[in-house]
Amino acid sequence: AQTVTQSQPEMSVQEAETVTLSCTYDTSENNYYLFWYKQPPSRQMILVIRQEAYKQQNATENRFSVNFQKAAKSFSLKISDSQLGDTAMYFCAFMKLGYGQNFVFGPGTRLSVLP
Amino acid sequence: GAGVSQSPSNKVTEKGKDVELRCDPISGHTALYWYRQSLGQGLEFLIYFQGNSAPDKSGLPSDRFSAERTGGSVSTLTIQRTQQEDSAVYLCASSLGRTYSYGYTFGSGTRLTVV
Repeated sequence: AQTVTQSQPEMSVQEAETVTLSCTYDTSENNYYLFWYKQPPSRQMILVIRQEAYKQQNATENRFSVNFQKAAKSFSLKISDSQLGDTAMYFCAFMKLGYGQNFVFGPGTRLSVLP
Repeated sequence: GAGVSQSPSNKVTEKGKDVELRCDPISGHTALYWYRQSLGQGLEFLIYFQGNSAPDKSGLPSDRFSAERTGGSVSTLTIQRTQQEDSAVYLCASSLGRTYSYGYTFGSGTRLTVV
């Protein structure tokens, strides 16, 4: 079974600064996806960024980038130029490749961006 | 519709009562998932529907939980004889196909409180 760990229950960052959220996972699979999802107070899960395990290049989406270390089973999220709207819960998630696979989520990190 | 719609948004019920939670997926999406998010926790997989195939019920925590999907569209999650530990946010997600490459869209969830 896969597990996802997020060791930082809460973090805060000043507006315009950079913050890194940590995630580690455990799996015996070789092919899988990793995700960061954002959950604002509206409760809807919003995809921030996705990484395919077979790709060595780290994924980036505007101000969001990841540091994917497959051997170390580490998948951290870096948010640059933090904005007040980035305040939310952030969940790291794992999914095996294949049909009908479901997500395995970490417990989340509550990020507060301070003005 | 434009997004995944869940109703009610909030539900308070007395211990021992039955509740029904509804999910209306994006039109044409064949895959539908239910997740449970307990306070301070990540999302926990409950059940998965794909087209007309038998659902994957492996995540349902007890036989008090059941779900159905009528006509391959709307899904109802039923919790019988509710207990206080059932208090959580129940999130639904839908996808166009059976693999992640089609992407997933989450609803805003139903917050269930059992008193």
